[in-house]
Amino acid sequence: SAVISQKPSRDICQRGTSLTIQCQVDSQVTMMFWYRQQPGQSLTLIATANQGSEATYESGFVIDKFPISRPNLTFSTLTVSNMSPEDSSIYLCSVERDREIAEAFFGQGTRLTVV
Amino acid sequence: SQKIEQNSEALNIQEGKTATLTCNYTNYSPAYLQWYRQDPGRGPVFLLLIRENEKEKRKERLKVTFDTTLKQSLFHITASQPADSATYLCALVPRSTGGYQKVTFGTGTKLQVIP
Repeated sequence: SAVISQKPSRDICQRGTSLTIQCQVDSQVTMMFWYRQQPGQSLTLIATANQGSEATYESGFVIDKFPISRPNLTFSTLTVSNMSPEDSSIYLCSVERDREIAEAFFGQGTRLTVV
Repeated sequence: SQKIEQNSEALNIQEGKTATLTCNYTNYSPAYLQWYRQDPGRGPVFLLLIRENEKEKRKERLKVTFDTTLKQSLFHITASQPADSATYLCALVPRSTGGYQKVTFGTGTKLQVIP
């Protein structure tokens, strides 16, 4: 298993500002994943972060809005930039123990409210 | 386009009864189907995985069935307890192409077990 620490657990931010979410894993992992979970909706993959390379973004998500860092094999950050109320959501980081079956471990999530 | 459907309405059952949750999908041929539990304010927790060539999988009070013809999975909790109250997500994992597997999540069904 993997233990994932994510912070902050929640925040209320003013529109136009940026928030950086941190994700720390207790073991080295190749890939880390960032998801968004909007109320009543499924988890949506934002991007995949590999150490030492640019993150790979899913359709509808761009680096300017959601820059990601992956400085080493146990840590990643996701920044939500120039926030608007539509960015209010839960953001989750995740790792997989087995690439084939994709058993995922999640952090506790960051509940973001933009006012 | 690929679509996963879970009952959006909450499922309320009496303690001791069997809870049955449904996951239907279209335009998808998954290699694996996963079930996760998510409690309020927490990230999802992996419960069970079933492979495309398996009909049924059990783990303690949990049972999952997978019908690739009907494109449906059923998730059963027998002898349900109030502690089983949570949102349950199904997720589909595609066949491996050598890279990472992009997991697609359903919206989840909220289960409430009434004492």
